[in-house]
Formats: sequence, structure tokens, C-alpha cells
Amino acid sequence: DAKTTQPTSMDCAEGRAANLPCNHSTISGNEYVYWYRQIHSQGPQYIIHGLKNNETNEMASLIITEDRKSSTLILPHATLRDTAVYYCIVSGTGNQFYFGTGTSLTVIP
Amino acid sequence: GAGVSQTPSNKVTEKGKYVELRCDPISGHTALYWYRQSLGQGPEFLIYFQGTGAADDSGLPNDRFFAVRPEGSVSTLKIQRTERGDSAVYLCASSLVQGGAGELFFGEGSRLTVL
Repeated sequence: DAKTTQPTSMDCAEGRAANLPCNHSTISGNEYVYWYRQIHSQGPQYIIHGLKNNETNEMASLIITEDRKSSTLILPHATLRDTAVYYCIVSGTGNQFYFGTGTSLTVIP
Repeated sequence: GAGVSQTPSNKVTEKGKYVELRCDPISGHTALYWYRQSLGQGPEFLIYFQGTGAADDSGLPNDRFFAVRPEGSVSTLKIQRTERGDSAVYLCASSLVQGGAGELFFGEGSRLTVL
């Protein structure tokens, strides 16, 4: 699986957009970009995934660059409950999900 | 419930003992995953089942660790001769997608403490 690189930690003011970057320069053509988050003492929770096109759902938006070597997860209006560790994972059919250490996002009141 | 269920939620054992951790996946999910998470680290892949068979067990750290899924539903992770370094949260996840990656649904984990 392609390795991903994420910042260790980020802060975001409550109500503002949180933009979490991820680099995946060795991603293969059939690999998707997945985002999960883990709130303290809970199991990871799926947020969103995409292949080439930008995606949006009720939780977040995913922006993937044209060359697919990086992506950004956007939480449009961060709340205190969005404080969590966010994992960017690339995975394709038949492959497993390998989590890195993620980005610890702290939403500040 | 409709989610992935893991039991026990907490297990304290002594070094050298045998431990079993159980995972009940979401009904109808054919793929089942086990992960291990140590404090401050991301989940570490252990093993993946597609149906009854282990499709990928490359993450199991050594032969003290074994997992089964005899009927393609419930899975048990078995740890023999436990060591203090086995202390971690063991996470189970299931997925509907066959033969490949898809959205994983995680349980709350089983916290194992080896004294």
C-alpha cells in the first residue's frame, strides 16, 4: 500500500473550516483515498473516500489533486466534537487498510 | 445492536496466560479485520478474513497469535503465553465489500492488559 504523510497535529478555531492535508505520492491508479477519524477511546469511524473526483458528504469534503499525489479533508464548520485523530489511508481492491499515526486535530473554543 | 460487537471490553490477565477475544461483525459482512492499537499509535493491521478463510495474516506478530472465523461470521483472536508487550486495544472491523477494500465498520475494541 502507498504510504501517506500527515502532519502530527493541528489546531482549528470552533466554527472555522478545518483543512487536513495528506501526501500520498506513490499512490497507484486503482487505489482509493480514505479518511477515518478516531475520537478518544472509540473505534475509528469512516468519514469519506474518493478515487479521482472531489467528494462531499454530510460530514466532510475531500479534495484530491489532479495528479492524485495529495488530498485535503475539509470539515467546513469545525465543532468541539470534531476533536479527534484523523487518518488518511490509501487502499485498493484486495489490499488492506494500513493506518499511520494520523493528525491529531484539536478544535479550540 | 447493528454495529460490530467486541467482547470482553476489558481483559486483565497475567503474563503467560491464554486469552481469547471475540468479535461479532455486522450481519452480512463477509470481510473481517483485526487490528491492534498501542497507546499513541494508529491501529496496526493483524489479519483479514474473507468469509471463513484468512486472506491475509501477514500482520500477526508471531505464532502466539492466531485467529479463526469458522462459520464466516463471529471471529476469535487467540493469544497464547501472553507477554506484557501484548497489552493494547484490539480492534475488530467488518466490511460488506467482497474481495477488496471498502468502508470498514469498527467495534469499540477489547482492551487487554497483561500484568
